[in-house]
Parts: sequence; C-alpha cells; structure tokens
Amino acid sequence: DAGVIQSPRHEVTEMGQEVTLRCKPISGHNSLFWYRQTMMRGLELLIYFNNNVPIDDSGMPEDRFSAKMPNASFSTLKIQPSEPRDSAVYFCASSLDTGGLKTQYFGPGTRLLVL
Amino acid sequence: TQLLEQSPQFLSIQEGENLTVYCNSSSVFSSLQWYRQEPGEGPVLLVTVVTGGEVKKLKRLTFQFGDARKDSSLHITAAQPGDTGLYLCATRAGGTSYGKLTFGQGTILTVHP
Repeated sequence: DAGVIQSPRHEVTEMGQEVTLRCKPISGHNSLFWYRQTMMRGLELLIYFNNNVPIDDSGMPEDRFSAKMPNASFSTLKIQPSEPRDSAVYFCASSLDTGGLKTQYFGPGTRLLVL
Repeated sequence: TQLLEQSPQFLSIQEGENLTVYCNSSSVFSSLQWYRQEPGEGPVLLVTVVTGGEVKKLKRLTFQFGDARKDSSLHITAAQPGDTGLYLCATRAGGTSYGKLTFGQGTILTVHP
C-alpha cells in the first residue's frame, strides 16, 4: 500500500514567492496533520484536519500560512509570501482516529529553502 | 498541552555499545509512543505502551513505561550504525483532540562503525 505522499520533495525559492506543498494521505484515514521541523524548534504541529475539517490551526505561525483539505485524498499547505525563516522540513501525516492513541503515518517531507 | 522532556539531546557512540534514552513528564501519560526518524525521512512508529510498568521488546530495543506512567525509556543493546536517527516520544494531547499528538524534542543518536 502507498504511504503518505508529499510533493515536491525539495523546493528552493526566493523570498516573497508563493510556495504550495501538497499531501495525499493514506486512503481511509480520517485525520491529516501538517508539521514543520527545524533543529531549533523540533517537530511542530501547524494544523490538523479531521474528516476534511480544520480542527486546530493554533500552530500556524501567521497569516502567511494557509492550509486546505478540499477532499479526503488531498491537502495543501501554502506560504505566501515566503520568508527565509520559513526554511524547514514540512511533514504531512495521516491517521485513522477512532479514539485512543493511534499511529500517525508520516510522509517523506518537503525540504523547503527560502533564499 | 503535556510537555515531554527527552534526554539526552545528543548521543554519539561506537557500534556495539549500549545506550538508554529517556522521556519524562510532570504529568501522567495516558499512553506513550516512540518514533524513530532516519535522516531524510519522516518519523516511523516503533512502539506504543499503555500500561504502567509495561516492558516491550523489539529486537535489540527495549521500551519501558514507568510504573507511575510519567516516564519512559528506550534501551538499545549492541547499537549498530543502522540505529542512527532521531528518537521521539509522543503522547496524545488532552481533550477531544482527534488523534493530535504532542512530541518531545527528541534524542539524536549517532552510531559510528
């Protein structure tokens, strides 16, 4: 079975440009999570969805970040305009949440470098 | 949100050595997970522990959940270069959280051949 799919795997852009990261969760999973990972701050939860509905976006740094999940098989994280401090690895994860502590399945990540 | 403290932050050892990493909290865990993240990849679940005092083994890895469910440890016997990676503990965030996890900062393990 395919795992969580993220694209692109690497992105290099210039400050001020719009960046769109894409995620396809595992089929049948009902929760989707976007994380950012840096050496300084570790793994930070940005936003998560349940049944395509955003539940908690308190981790989104500022208005430059937005996320959507138009259907159960696709989500995007957009940064507009991008800044050098946004450089990080962005992970998407999905899980089947039926209560209790469930496994989150992570994608391979998108390595973003903003120059 | 429950704060998870992991130690040590960095660990560099030679192949064949044993090691232990720790995950602690001032609060009681309902349950706890350990993930390993290899360089260039996303975290992958190693184990879930749910009962105080529980011990689980996964080949050379031994996971222990404290009796009071406020701490956990991961012990690796005869470490190999393939064990290199970031080890993260995680627990479920409180309330109705739809599977939201809180992660510790992690332990970066490097095993030299």
